[in-house]
Amino acid sequence: KAGVTQTPRYLIKTRGQQVTLSCSPISGHRSVSWYQQTPGQGLQFLFEYFSETQRNKGNFPGRFSGRQFSNSRSEMNVSTLELGDSALYLCASSKGQGSTGYTFGSGTRLTVV
Amino acid sequence: KQEVTQIPAALSVPEGENLVLNCSFTDSAIYNLQWFRQDPGKGLTSLLLIQSSQREQTSGRLNASLDKSSGRSTLYIAASQPGDSATYLCAADGVSNFGNEKLTFGTGTRLTIIP
Repeated sequence: KAGVTQTPRYLIKTRGQQVTLSCSPISGHRSVSWYQQTPGQGLQFLFEYFSETQRNKGNFPGRFSGRQFSNSRSEMNVSTLELGDSALYLCASSKGQGSTGYTFGSGTRLTVV
Repeated sequence: KQEVTQIPAALSVPEGENLVLNCSFTDSAIYNLQWFRQDPGKGLTSLLLIQSSQREQTSGRLNASLDKSSGRSTLYIAASQPGDSATYLCAADGVSNFGNEKLTFGTGTRLTIIP
């Protein structure tokens, strides 16, 4: 079966711009979680969507937002980019109902210059 | 609030040795415990998933155990190979402050196998 697909794989943006990242979960999975990974902070949880509703949220500023569509695909948006937003952004797919585990995509490497 | 700790942060062992990576968590009310591997600049690859009702899981040279009462999990790697070099992360799947399912990660153990 197809895995978790994240697009694009690499992205270079200028400070102040905005960016949208996409994640397509495994077919039948209704939950998509987003994480930011940096060398200094490790893996940090951004938010999770389940059946088009945000049901968990991490401690990130409002510049970070997301949404989920009826086909479970999710997008994450970062507005007014800062240099510190440079990171590997990972999404994880799960059935969202406990005990089933998570599958991660390959990530999107965002560089802000 | 769930907290997951992995010790040591880094480990180097000669090829062929058996090794154990440790993971501890503070809240035993978990759905499952999942071990991942991450190569530099890559995504996370799931290695083993232990459900809360299970004590251990095995896949090839890997064996993971779970002791919910003590809040501990271990990942045992037999006959280590240079290709096992990577960062290993454990994650506890439990309940968030919002009352929903949420995965909490440890900080990882960076493993280097010396040929």
